[in-house]
Amino acid sequence: QKEVEQNSGPLSVPEGAIASLNCTYSDRVSQSFFWYRQYSGKSPELIMSIYSNGDKEDGRFTAQLNKASQYVSLLIRDSQPSDSATYLCAVNNNAGNMLTFGGGTRLMVKP
Amino acid sequence: DTEVTQTPKHLVMGMTNKKSLKCEQHMGHRAMYWYKQKAKKPPELMFVYSYEKLSINESVPSRFSPECPNSSLLNLHLHALQPEDSALYLCASSQVSSATGELFFGEGSRLTVL
Repeated sequence: QKEVEQNSGPLSVPEGAIASLNCTYSDRVSQSFFWYRQYSGKSPELIMSIYSNGDKEDGRFTAQLNKASQYVSLLIRDSQPSDSATYLCAVNNNAGNMLTFGGGTRLMVKP
Repeated sequence: DTEVTQTPKHLVMGMTNKKSLKCEQHMGHRAMYWYKQKAKKPPELMFVYSYEKLSINESVPSRFSPECPNSSLLNLHLHALQPEDSALYLCASSQVSSATGELFFGEGSRLTVL
């Protein structure tokens, strides 16, 4: 069973703190990894993609990938109340446009 | 502003009605998708079109019928739906690539079946 797992949360962090969101996946052949942000009542929006082991930084966001441990994470530095949303981890196994989403982690950033 | 446009934004229909959801993108993407999302759940893939041909059908009931008239348009025809089909229906597009997961979603069509 190919799965992508996330803690559903809510993860509550104070404003200005680092939020750490985690995701594990079961299919070892997965090659592409993505983080989507979804505000309540809105559609998902891609915020980060990562394809190789290590860290990838984009502004306040850092994606981390460890293929040996089948683990991908998203760090949000200097968290803002506007970061409050559900974050969806998604994994592509390169088998013809098949993207598997995790259940999402709800993040709450408190002022 | 999203570059994937979905209409209508809201739709209420009875179980005997026939309606359609429409999606349009002008990013030159050759893969288009329909997802269904229930509250507090992740998007669930329904159909994938690649170069206007249906490439993935995730065992969706026949009361949902997709159509891709051209590379920019994607429709989802609805007939004889059930109340449990009430959900947010998301259209997305992407480059056609075996490594892609970079989807651009529309704002969704919120469907209520009475």
